Amino acid sequence: DGGITQSPKYLFRKEGQNVTLSCEQNLNHDAMYWYRQDPGQGLRLIYYSQIVNDFQKGDIAEGYSVSREKKESFPLTVTSAQKNPTAFYLCASSVLGTASTDTQYFGPGTRLTVL
Amino acid sequence: KNQVEQSPQSLIILEGKNCTLQCNYTVSPFSNLRWYKQDTGRGPVSLTIMTFSENTKSNGRYTATLDADTKQSSLHITASQLSDSASYICVVSAGTNAGKSTFGDGTTLTVKP
Repeated sequence: DGGITQSPKYLFRKEGQNVTLSCEQNLNHDAMYWYRQDPGQGLRLIYYSQIVNDFQKGDIAEGYSVSREKKESFPLTVTSAQKNPTAFYLCASSVLGTASTDTQYFGPGTRLTVL
Repeated sequence: KNQVEQSPQSLIILEGKNCTLQCNYTVSPFSNLRWYKQDTGRGPVSLTIMTFSENTKSNGRYTATLDADTKQSSLHITASQLSDSASYICVVSAGTNAGKSTFGDGTTLTVKP
């Protein structure tokens, strides 16, 4: 069964705690991404990685951290410095190919709620 | 600033009817335009992808069009079904950098019996 998996599906966190969201893909894609989605808003890019051991900040990286130690895995840590972390988090991956193949495949998402 | 604007924000139609969703963009340099369907509480699923040289792309009952001159795209849904109820997101990529995709806010479609 191929694709992108995210875990957990629902996550609750107390204020002041760090939490790590998992994202794994077995599509052999080079690039991986983390997005945040808030109600009524478009997806906003947090971090992305095009190659192992390298990643770049997106538009809203403050309060988040990532690692890319393996091609298949791109975990996201939501730190206590993120002021409003309650949101729906989506992981995606893509082939770094031509414009006609450059589409992103998304995981099922993790809904994080800060109590 | 790269922007993608979708209209309408929401739409309600009766089952069996057709509808058209709009996407206007100001993204440069243009690489491709993609339409996604997102069911509530789930990840987006790709419907179509079009490059500069393509002006139409179909996926079953979904047909996307692209006018690169006016920087407009539309997604036409034919013979709607209850399962078409979802948010439809237009995404435009700029250049070849993996992180350079601009997402629209989406159009929420509700199909009623």
